[in-house]
Amino acid sequence: QSVLTQPPSVSAAPGQKVTISCSGSSSNIGNNYVSWYQHLPGTAPKLLIHDNDKRPSGIPDRFSGSKSGTSATLGITGLQTGDEADYYCGGWDYSLSAWVFGGGTKLTVL
Amino acid sequence: EVQLVESGGGLVNPGRSLRLSCTASGFTFGDYAMSWFRQAPGKGLEWVGFIRSKAYGGTTEYAASVKDRFTISRDDSKSIAYLQMDSLKSEDTAVYCCARALLACGSACYPYFFDYWGQGTLVTLSS
Repeated sequence: QSVLTQPPSVSAAPGQKVTISCSGSSSNIGNNYVSWYQHLPGTAPKLLIHDNDKRPSGIPDRFSGSKSGTSATLGITGLQTGDEADYYCGGWDYSLSAWVFGGGTKLTVL
Repeated sequence: EVQLVESGGGLVNPGRSLRLSCTASGFTFGDYAMSWFRQAPGKGLEWVGFIRSKAYGGTTEYAASVKDRFTISRDDSKSIAYLQMDSLKSEDTAVYCCARALLACGSACYPYFFDYWGQGTLVTLSS
């Protein structure tokens, strides 16, 4: 059972938009930054969003992040088949003194 | 170009030890905190622990699942972070990867994101 809650899977057609939710508590998302990672098993995870809504250089603006209270959301527009991957939200939990992840969301581009 | 390359994985018997290495290049290793993660077969990413840079005391934090069994250390002269794994259990079977950590500091300094990751090295527990 992950500390942060994500839907196990989402899907949408190429060119469409999808959102992935991440629900936490006041000890993590509510009082700390959220970051999002894209991961294809067997490859290195990639940072997509940090500080709740900031994109590192090289990440296209099709990817966006937002946070409200104890929840965060990753948005992906203009879906491409290359976006098929697992997506994880994460943040520091000060009660646990530990980094926590969501369980991951598998994105399928139909 | 920042690169992180893990090594040292393999097949090991339960109860034994293994040391993994994370060799960094493309940045001033000593200026950054480093973290270890793992992904067990069919499971999601799991944080293992991290080590602060010497400027922040070089101290470590660990996940409850590995505390008192795993130890993270660093050799800044070689740009390597290590993960010493003792008393290994079958549930430690996973791909282990390292990442560079950016720290936020309040009363203590903790990671607020990880910007570069390695591909990982597989550790398999089998009797």
